[in-house]
Amino acid sequence: DSGVTQTPKHLITATGQRVTLRCSPRSGDLSVYWYQQSLDQGLQFLIQYYNGEERAKGNILERFSAQQFPDLHSELNLSSLELGDSALYFCASGGGYEQYFGPGTRLTVT
Amino acid sequence: AQSVAQPEDQVNVAEGNPLTVKCTYSVSGNPYLFWYVQYPNRGLQFLLKYITGDNLVKGSYGFEAEFNKSQTSFHLKKPSALVSDSALYFCAVRDVTSNTGKLIFGQGTTLQVKP
Repeated sequence: DSGVTQTPKHLITATGQRVTLRCSPRSGDLSVYWYQQSLDQGLQFLIQYYNGEERAKGNILERFSAQQFPDLHSELNLSSLELGDSALYFCASGGGYEQYFGPGTRLTVT
Repeated sequence: AQSVAQPEDQVNVAEGNPLTVKCTYSVSGNPYLFWYVQYPNRGLQFLLKYITGDNLVKGSYGFEAEFNKSQTSFHLKKPSALVSDSALYFCAVRDVTSNTGKLIFGQGTTLQVKP
């Protein structure tokens, strides 16, 4: 158990809909990272927050957004969903060099 | 641009034999390198990292990795493979061009250990 929690584990939704993925980092970690894992793109960095502030953006679509709250949990919002958004979404946290990953949320868009 | 390559999609090895999963990197400056393992329907688990120091790094579950600066490689090794080692392995490098800590991953290598 990495200490990083993600909910929900699975999400099935229709095209055009909006969903919210939630992540709680390990106790004491100020950084939260979001990654997307898909068969064609592999593991891609989406966005990072540090202590409530956006720190870095990667290959994140404009339809996607994230935030980190004062209690350090983070949410990834995905809107106007397309079939191609179906993927495994991971959250990770870290205070040192390595990052610790949550179990992921598997999103299926039908 | 920084990148990581895992040249083998799959590695097959017999139980009890040594295993090697290959990784090469391209970075500007000193690399911070990592290995992660992913079991089916699970998240990524951290195995080991190289930041500085000894070129042979020891990690979890009996895995080790050898950092080779001249060959820009960071191969994962284990002296004696177990069937339970069968999983998807990712090599990653920390992005040092931006002061963010984000990881850049290779495409992954599936390790199949046969009894």
